[in-house]
Amino acid sequence: QSALTQPASVSGSPGQSITISCTGTSSDVGGYNYVSWYQQHPGKAPKLMIYEVSNRPSGVSNRFSGSKSGNTASLTISGLQAEDEADYYCSSYTSSSLVVFGGGTKLTVL
Amino acid sequence: QITLKESGPTLVKPTQTLTLTCTFSGFSLSTSGVGVGWIRQPPGKALEWLALIYWDDDKRYSPSLKSRLTITKDTSKNQVVLTMTNMDPVDTATYYCAHWEYSSSSFDIWGQGTMVTVSS
Repeated sequence: QSALTQPASVSGSPGQSITISCTGTSSDVGGYNYVSWYQQHPGKAPKLMIYEVSNRPSGVSNRFSGSKSGNTASLTISGLQAEDEADYYCSSYTSSSLVVFGGGTKLTVL
Repeated sequence: QITLKESGPTLVKPTQTLTLTCTFSGFSLSTSGVGVGWIRQPPGKALEWLALIYWDDDKRYSPSLKSRLTITKDTSKNQVVLTMTNMDPVDTATYYCAHWEYSSSSFDIWGQGTMVTVSS
């Protein structure tokens, strides 16, 4: 299985919105509504931010939202804040009952 | 409150076998819908899923590493063990275990990770 494709980096100014894409295939992203997004600050463990494409765990800000169209999922962060600067990874369940991660996207808040 | 913690050697030699233990609390691996997975991250690189074990002892492995990995559980000790054979310097990484929520197919709680260096 190949890693999901994410842009290496995105950036935005405080208060703006940014979107990170995550492209897979019909065997993973496109075939299931089991796309998750994780936030990772330097030296820290990843944190679940979105599950099942668009659901937020308790305690995650509603500035984070997720969506999917075809084989591409997206994470949108609105009202960008300095604390949002981190690496973001998407993940999907696959047709072989396996798990695949994306290559990660570094978000810089300008 | 669910917590997980990884333990194991910080340094292994090439060709050796790595054994990592994930000790958890706040849930039972005998409960339907529960799983524990292992994920690794080489320094400065992306997350890579390794293996997953479910409450019913179903096991899944990354296809690229399947021949080298074994995941087992000890429900009575609340532990999951991952072994990786024939270690190589490219296996140098932080290894995480995480709670898998079956209904949402996501890793909702992660351990702090343990850094493993492969070097002679």
